Amino acid sequence: RKEVEQDPGPFNVPEGATVAFNCTYSNSASQSFFWYRQDCRKEPKLLMSVYSSGNEDGRFTAQLNRASQYISLLIRDSKLSDSATYLCVVNHGNTGFQKLVFGTGTRLLVSP
Amino acid sequence: EAQVTQNPRYLITVTGKKLTVTCSQNMNHEYMSWYRQDPGLGLRQIYYSMNVEVTDKGDVPEGYKVSRKEKRNFPLILESPSPNQTSLYFCASSLRAADLLNTQYFGPGTRLTVL
Repeated sequence: RKEVEQDPGPFNVPEGATVAFNCTYSNSASQSFFWYRQDCRKEPKLLMSVYSSGNEDGRFTAQLNRASQYISLLIRDSKLSDSATYLCVVNHGNTGFQKLVFGTGTRLLVSP
Repeated sequence: EAQVTQNPRYLITVTGKKLTVTCSQNMNHEYMSWYRQDPGLGLRQIYYSMNVEVTDKGDVPEGYKVSRKEKRNFPLILESPSPNQTSLYFCASSLRAADLLNTQYFGPGTRLTVL
């Protein structure tokens, strides 16, 4: 079983649609969670951290469910510019130091 | 401008010819790391460094070396590259190794092809 699993997609949605991605992780001791965005052949960039209480940043909402070991990302009112690959990232931090584990990404394609 | 830089951005080389990919950050970050990204496998950590002169193996260290003589630089060395090291490489840095909420900032990537 992979440490961090994501549906690779692609998710094809029209502009204005709402789309949700889930991600599961296997290490119950994982400490912190993130969503990164990666455009084709570019570097990953932090989209948002995921907090236990859930958090929202504009059209983006992230949720964490520690009991079921999954995190989610909801994108409302999709824009063409949202087309990218979304990486679920888990920080194990078992040793007290950073150890990021990346999912393979979910590809989103937003069409006019 | 705060950034992580990598050089070269693109490199085509032949098996066995030693090469170095440089990584530099101007944010006074403690933590630096190298990843490789391959289709279907996601980003995998090669080596990391918690501070100057402190480095350790990640998940896929075979065939690579690193050094951290200065805080800002973290070069990746391939002593004898092989075709299975053809990949997209990213350097990343983060302010504090022990702060698990710290964001990691990535360099623009180096696309390496070993023939």
